[in-house]
Amino acid sequence: AQSVTQLDSQVPVFEEAPVELRCNYSSSVSVYLFWYVQYPNQGLQLLLKYLSGSTLVKGINGFEAEFNKSQTSFHLRKPSVHISDTAEYFCAVSKGTSGTYKYIFGTGTRLKVLA
Amino acid sequence: DAGVIQSPRHEVTEMGQEVTLRCKPISGHDYLFWYRQTMMRGLELLIYFNNNVPIDDSGMPEDRFSAKMPNASFSTLKIQPSEPRDSAVYFCASTMRAEAFFGQGTRLTVV
Repeated sequence: AQSVTQLDSQVPVFEEAPVELRCNYSSSVSVYLFWYVQYPNQGLQLLLKYLSGSTLVKGINGFEAEFNKSQTSFHLRKPSVHISDTAEYFCAVSKGTSGTYKYIFGTGTRLKVLA
Repeated sequence: DAGVIQSPRHEVTEMGQEVTLRCKPISGHDYLFWYRQTMMRGLELLIYFNNNVPIDDSGMPEDRFSAKMPNASFSTLKIQPSEPRDSAVYFCASTMRAEAFFGQGTRLTVV
């Protein structure tokens, strides 16, 4: 069965500092990987996705993530954060056996950017 | 396309009442997911459909919960009878495999 682990429930960081949000997954088959962002009282928006190809994926708002198959990780990074990046970030995995696409989300990491 | 549309946005109901949440997926998407979000449990996958057929409902917490997708453009999640512990934000999402698009959610409060 697929699962996603986000070890950090909260990450405080100062404005203009770099940040890394960690995500590890477990799956017996190849997967698609995603990062979503949720602002207060809103739905989830896609930041970036890995389907195949280059392991370094660039997304919106200056975020990027690297797929590491040997470590089963898909960590999200941004070199310099802004106050507006304060939100909750979710890692997700899909693509299971028999070609099904069951989206499983991690428990989320709350990023708080401090002035 | 207007995106995934959920209604109502907010619902307050009394314990024991029936609650129906509605979702209109993006046209052409063949997967539809229902999630529940709470502070304690995060985002839980309740059920998902492929081409209107329920594929996995193992996340549905109890028999009080049921979901239907009578056609490609409409799905409902019903709770009967509702209980205070059902209070949460319920999200619907649709996808054509590679990216899930989420609705704005329905905030359910059962008093």
